[in-house]
Amino acid sequence: DTGVSQDPRHKITKRGQNVTFRCDPISEHNRLYWYRQTLGQGPEFLTYFQNEAQLEKSRLLSDRFSAERPKGSFSTLEIQRTEQGDSAMYLCASSDNRGQIVGELFFGEGSRLTVL
Amino acid sequence: AQKVTQAQTEISVVEKEDVTLDCVYETRDTTYYLFWYKQPPSGELVFLIRRNSFDEQNEISGRYSWNFQKSTSSFNFTITASQVVDSAVYFCALSEANTGGFKTIFGAGTRLFVKA
Repeated sequence: DTGVSQDPRHKITKRGQNVTFRCDPISEHNRLYWYRQTLGQGPEFLTYFQNEAQLEKSRLLSDRFSAERPKGSFSTLEIQRTEQGDSAMYLCASSDNRGQIVGELFFGEGSRLTVL
Repeated sequence: AQKVTQAQTEISVVEKEDVTLDCVYETRDTTYYLFWYKQPPSGELVFLIRRNSFDEQNEISGRYSWNFQKSTSSFNFTITASQVVDSAVYFCALSEANTGGFKTIFGAGTRLFVKA
């Protein structure tokens, strides 16, 4: 069983460009989460999916951000018209919550975004 | 509103010393879950423990132990006989059941340095 994988691991882009990150969760995990982590801070919740349904979005997720999870498998996080303040580590996590309310999160290694 | 406070930003110890990482949380929910995660220099967050609000028994796992006290809203983590490999950032986290348990809130983390 492979863990959560994220791609790309690093992305450097110029301000105003669009970027897309991909996350492949642990197979059969029904929940998938996106978090953002900046230097010296803990992960901040962005959004989550239960299967293919996006059930919650943080206020941190401006209209430049969009996430999808087609068919309830992998997920993509797109940031349009990037700004320097978007520079951060974008973390994906998955969990198996069948049979219980709260399962632990399994994190990927993250996608580091640098906006010049 | 849920909140997690880790007042210790950095702790430095010498190998074989015991060290306690503090965590204080705030929640209005009566059913909630507390977690500790470890983020080593490689970057990937790793789950260490989950406790639910109805189980105040302390837990020991090898050199790790956790002290959960609802009266003081604290969930402290002790490493006994610390080792260099324990050097990492440790995050305490909280998830409320009334939100479906999907939104895990993290503290800012405590960076632990263990010197040989």
